[in-house]
Amino acid sequence: NAGVTQTPKFQVLKTGQSMTLQCAQDMNHEYMSWYRQDPGMGLRLIHYSVGAGITDQGEVPNGYNVSRSTTEDFPLRLLSAAPSQTSVYFCASSKHLIGRLGEAFFGQGTRLTVV
Amino acid sequence: ILNVEQSPQSLHVQEGDSTNFTCSFPSSNFYALHWYRWETAKSPEALFVMTLNGDEKKKGRISATLNTKEGYSYLYIKGSQPEDSATYLCAFPWGVRDMRFGAGTRLTVKP
Repeated sequence: NAGVTQTPKFQVLKTGQSMTLQCAQDMNHEYMSWYRQDPGMGLRLIHYSVGAGITDQGEVPNGYNVSRSTTEDFPLRLLSAAPSQTSVYFCASSKHLIGRLGEAFFGQGTRLTVV
Repeated sequence: ILNVEQSPQSLHVQEGDSTNFTCSFPSSNFYALHWYRWETAKSPEALFVMTLNGDEKKKGRISATLNTKEGYSYLYIKGSQPEDSATYLCAFPWGVRDMRFGAGTRLTVKP
């Protein structure tokens, strides 16, 4: 069981560069989300999706885009990287709307540094 | 602004000690309270999803209680082992599709 697969694990970008963080799950979960983790803070929701073709913004969406063309994949795009986007990023999926009853399954994280 | 507070921020105990830490959340509009265990270099893993006031859940040496009226949950670890060293996160559903996480309690168990 692969669960949630997230790539890459590490990335260094220069300010202004763009990149895509990949996330795939094989559990047929409808709900997928992206979080960022910063020191001393809890995981903060960037974007989420409740199914293929449906996405919405979370708490901290600025500077990021997402799309959901299939149930399995939910990539996160950084349009023009800024040092403030240096963080650890987690993709998560859930059978139910996250927080209601469904536990979240997390990918292993991407440590992104923007210089 | 919804705050999910965890205390203490970090904790160092000796192997064999029992320990506990707290998650505080708003007591209104309660749906569920999640606990996750996050080991270094790994992804967070769900421990418990708690939904009922007075609920108590147990997994091995780890247990959790829930008080929705006063807005807190305790996580207990009995007889801590070095492999229990991790950050323990609690999370509270907020709105229809969001979940707010606490900053976590980082537990270090010394052999």
